[in-house]
Amino acid sequence: EPEVTQTPSHQVTQMGQEVILRCVPISNHLYFYWYRQILGQKVEFLVSFYNNEISEKSEIFDDQFSVERPDGSNFTLKIRSTKLEDSAMYFCASRDSSYNEQFFGPGTRLTVL
Amino acid sequence: ELKVEQNPLFLSMQEGKNYTIYCNYSTTSDRLYWYRQDPGKSLESLFVLLSNGAVKQEGRLMASLDTKARLSTLHITAAVHDLSATYFCAVDMAAAGNKLTFGGGTRVLVKP
Repeated sequence: EPEVTQTPSHQVTQMGQEVILRCVPISNHLYFYWYRQILGQKVEFLVSFYNNEISEKSEIFDDQFSVERPDGSNFTLKIRSTKLEDSAMYFCASRDSSYNEQFFGPGTRLTVL
Repeated sequence: ELKVEQNPLFLSMQEGKNYTIYCNYSTTSDRLYWYRQDPGKSLESLFVLLSNGAVKQEGRLMASLDTKARLSTLHITAAVHDLSATYFCAVDMAAAGNKLTFGGGTRVLVKP
């Protein structure tokens, strides 16, 4: 069964460093999303992406964040200069149409020291 | 702005007994979802509810949706230890780009 994959599963970085989180959505899906979950808290929407551009972004998704679909298969989330408060689980999700549900990847745990 | 509230936040259950988790949302939505999350893991989709009066059941879990009251419930019948997890409801709206807005989650612990 097709699934969303994410790499790495765990990323440890120093404050101020850039990180890139990678996702491979399900192959025929057209809508892509990033969410984050700070430990013990709810899942929060970051950004949605469709037709090679951002559809919507939340207040969390400031200038330090960017997304890209560099090669038609990967979907990446870049954090330019990480802060301690960026430590969280980051989930990628995709869907094939606006009528169907999103499928979530296993997540990347980001730890900023 | 769409808001989703769950209660209770924490539920200590005894095996064999029945319990209900409530999910309220503030504006009309297109779909309501229930997810299960085990510690350190991803979100496992349990139910997708599309219309008023929808009821879905899987094993000991049953979810229902009342769109007029903007309320969904997740009912657990005869709880067992394996159901210990955190349960989230989430809603989406086409008008909001189909992003999911999650409730705060209900942490369920089933004790023998």
